[in-house]
Amino acid sequence: GAGVSQSPRYKVAKRGQDVALRCDPISGHVSLFWYQQALGQGPEFLTYFQNEAQLDKSGLPSDRFFAERPEGSVSTLKIQRTQQEDSAVYLCASSLLPRGNTDTQYFGPGTRLTVL
Amino acid sequence: GENVEQHPSTLSVQEGDSAVIKCTYSDSASNYFPWYKQELGKGPQLIIDIRSNVGEKKDQRIAVTLNKTAKHFSLHITETQPEDSAVYFCAASSYGGATNKLIFGTGTLLAVQP
Repeated sequence: GAGVSQSPRYKVAKRGQDVALRCDPISGHVSLFWYQQALGQGPEFLTYFQNEAQLDKSGLPSDRFFAERPEGSVSTLKIQRTQQEDSAVYLCASSLLPRGNTDTQYFGPGTRLTVL
Repeated sequence: GENVEQHPSTLSVQEGDSAVIKCTYSDSASNYFPWYKQELGKGPQLIIDIRSNVGEKKDQRIAVTLNKTAKHFSLHITETQPEDSAVYFCAASSYGGATNKLIFGTGTLLAVQP
């Protein structure tokens, strides 16, 4: 079946622009995660949704980062007034079960954001 | 805060040899330990995982061991093949916590020389 998809795959933004990154999780998956992966590093947690509820946003680096999942399926990560330090790969992952369960997280291919 | 350390950062082996990657974690509440393989331009892909009630798990050429007392876990790949070349990440999670977020290590670049 279809895996997690993300769009766009690549995004170049000028400093100060706003960007929106989209994630389509596996159909029926309750849990959705956003991670940020800097070059040569492991992914770092940004935020977590259980259906449409954002239950953990402790990893968001600043109030310029905002995420939503209004209907409990597709999610959008928005970054306002982008800065060079925002350049990274943004990964989305989904899992079938809600929190509290050991469950595989399936990752999408990521969106590579470059801020000039 | 929670931390996962991973060694080595790079590993080069000859085809057919074994490869071992080691990780340590700091949060004693961690109870789920997946390993991911990431190829260039792709997202991480789960290759094996282990839960804290198990000390060892094997899947064909891949095995993972866990020592909860020492907070160590390791990935073992036997009979390596060129297609095993990739970056490997260990991770830790506490599925009894507020979320099941994964805390990742810094990655190991494995190169299998034919």
